[in-house]
Amino acid sequence: EVQLVQSGAEVKKPGESLKISCKGSGYSFTSYWIGWVRQMPGKGLEWMGIIFPGDSDTRYSPSLQGQVTISADKSISTAYLQWRSLTASDTAMYYCARRGDSSSSADYWGQGTLVTVSS
Amino acid sequence: DIQMTQSPSSLSASVGDRVTITCRASQTINNYLNWYRQKPGKAPKLLIYAASSLQSGVPSRFSGSGSGTDFTLTISSLQPEDFATYYCQQSYSTPGTFGQGTKVDIK
Repeated sequence: EVQLVQSGAEVKKPGESLKISCKGSGYSFTSYWIGWVRQMPGKGLEWMGIIFPGDSDTRYSPSLQGQVTISADKSISTAYLQWRSLTASDTAMYYCARRGDSSSSADYWGQGTLVTVSS
Repeated sequence: DIQMTQSPSSLSASVGDRVTITCRASQTINNYLNWYRQKPGKAPKLLIYAASSLQSGVPSRFSGSGSGTDFTLTISSLQPEDFATYYCQQSYSTPGTFGQGTKVDIK
């Protein structure tokens, strides 16, 4: 069974750093792109970027490039989303999702990680 | 980026109703169009991929159509679990932009 399991909720202060994770299982982790999707409170879905764990090829949404870093450790089948300096506007639910073979759709999703940034 | 525009933004319907949601792309995306349902507090779930293909395990009351720039999601007979928000997404180019969502609530 394909599963993506994300790390738990985080509460941080502005200016702090953060790295959240997404562990894949039940499939060949290095053979599928993994992406991160942001959902701000009460808002819609937004692709942030995507990584191919097999060779770490990474693409970012132009609007978010430079604000976050996406990485992966294929030895432990885990993808990461990282911030160097959080702001209040980073408060959101973050989902990881596998980009499947069928029309590059997001066929499996993690359960989400809620990040709250507040002073 | 390719822009995706859904309509309507919200609608009210009853159990058993036929519901149609449309999605328009700002440029041609062939059939690289996917539909998702998101229930409150849950992760999105893939319903339709490649504009009209039903994802495994998804009930046959869901169907999709369209190509190029204009697409439609139809729910033939709305069920209680279908009161949720629906998103279209283009996967023709990276990033795979989403529509703004259509919230379906109980009339």
